Amino acid sequence: DTAVSQTPKYLVTQMGNDKSIKCEQNLGHDTMYWYKQDSKKFLKIMFSYNNKELIINETVPNRFSPKSPDKAHLNLHINSLELGDSAVYFCASSQGQGAYTFGSGTRLTVV
Amino acid sequence: KNEVEQSPQNLTAQEGEFITINCSYSVGISALHWLQQHPGGGIVSLFMLSSGKKKHGRLIATINIQEKHSSLHITASHPRDSAVYICAVNLHGAGNMLTFGGGTRLMVKP
Repeated sequence: DTAVSQTPKYLVTQMGNDKSIKCEQNLGHDTMYWYKQDSKKFLKIMFSYNNKELIINETVPNRFSPKSPDKAHLNLHINSLELGDSAVYFCASSQGQGAYTFGSGTRLTVV
Repeated sequence: KNEVEQSPQNLTAQEGEFITINCSYSVGISALHWLQQHPGGGIVSLFMLSSGKKKHGRLIATINIQEKHSSLHITASHPRDSAVYICAVNLHGAGNMLTFGGGTRLMVKP
């Protein structure tokens, strides 16, 4: 029973393409997140979303957009992919300000 | 300068040694998290604390709010403890979003 599942695990695509990464959590948590881990392994928040509020890190390009069809899903859409978007993207969830549960990550490579 | 600083960046220990990883932060927080990331990438939450001390098995986490400092201790270290340990905080006013330290890469040799 995977608590936070992301698909795909690996994604290789060409510059300029549009791609999506899916995330689902079965924990009943009210808040979901997307984090980016760069080549130096540093993690940074991209988005935080619950059923009331979307919080966007101001440094995230508007080519990135979260889409939440329901409270158990938070998908990440990326338009016009660039080489610098290559990274590992982690989905996570929490209940309020409780402990986090992370997905296993999606390694995106833009060529 | 990052709001969350960890030390050391890299740590090599012999099996059985007592290990301490430190985390300092420069701003007000509502909670601090310790995370573990194994080679292969998955991230696991070890502790979330806002005061005092928590223990789980061989892992102990402490926090001193006045000094803005937290430590993660591993007793009787084992090669399977080899991983990157990441300190992260909930900043006041930032809701539930985490701000991360740069991580400490731990290798425990048999």
